[in-house]
Amino acid sequence: AQSVTQPDIHITVSEGASLELRCNYSYGATPYLFWYVQSPGQGLQLLLKYFSGDTLVQGIKGFEAEFKRSQSSFNLRKPSVHWSDAAEYFCAVGAVGTYKYIFGTGTRLKVLA
Amino acid sequence: GAVVSQHPSRVICKSGTSVKIECRSLDFQATTMFWYRQFPKQSLMLMATSNEGSKATYEQGVEKDKFLINHASLTLSTLTVTSAHPEDSSFYICSARDSGSGIRDEQYFGPGTRLTVT
Repeated sequence: AQSVTQPDIHITVSEGASLELRCNYSYGATPYLFWYVQSPGQGLQLLLKYFSGDTLVQGIKGFEAEFKRSQSSFNLRKPSVHWSDAAEYFCAVGAVGTYKYIFGTGTRLKVLA
Repeated sequence: GAVVSQHPSRVICKSGTSVKIECRSLDFQATTMFWYRQFPKQSLMLMATSNEGSKATYEQGVEKDKFLINHASLTLSTLTVTSAHPEDSSFYICSARDSGSGIRDEQYFGPGTRLTVT
C-alpha cells in the first residue's frame, strides 16, 4: 500500500541552526514528491517538488530536498532556520496517473529565538 | 499563476442545516479537483475526487450522500455538507489540477474553509 511517513511529529530548533525534516514513502514506482508548509489556520504552500531528473531539488525560502531512491526518502533541509519558518510541514506523494496525493502526518516545527 | 480560491473562508452553521463551500481555479482550467478534510493538528485526508461533468469519486469511508460534490464547470467545484452535525466541524481544503499541465501531477491548493457546526 502507498504511504508516507514523517517520523518526527515535533521538532524544535534554534534560530540560525540547520534543519532536516524526514520523509519516507512506500510506493511501487518512482512517485512525484512534494513538500508543503502550512501556517496555523492557513492553506498549503508548496515549498518544492520532485518529478524526475536531478535528485537535489531547490525550493522557495531557502529550502532544498534530496530524493534518495535507495532509501525511499525525500528529506527537507534548510541550512539556517528563521523564526518565520515555524509552521507545520507536510510531505506528500503523488500517485502517478491518478493524480491523488497521499500526505504524511506532518512535522510541527518550533523555532527558538 | 495557478491560484485557487475557496469561499467562504469561515462558516458557522447550526446542526441539521446544509452548507456549501466553493472552490474556484482563477487562472486555469481544472477538469479535476480534490476535496480534503483536515482535523486539528492532523494531516489532510482525501475525501473525494471531483471530475468536471461527471460524478465525483469518493474515498472509502466518506459518505457521498452527506458530502455532495458538484463540478459543473472547468473552474468551479462545490462541496455541500448536508444535515451538518458538530462532528463535521473541520477544515476543508480543495485543490485543483491544471488540465493543461500534461503528465505532471501537480495540484494547486486553496486556502481552506473552516466549518464550525454548533
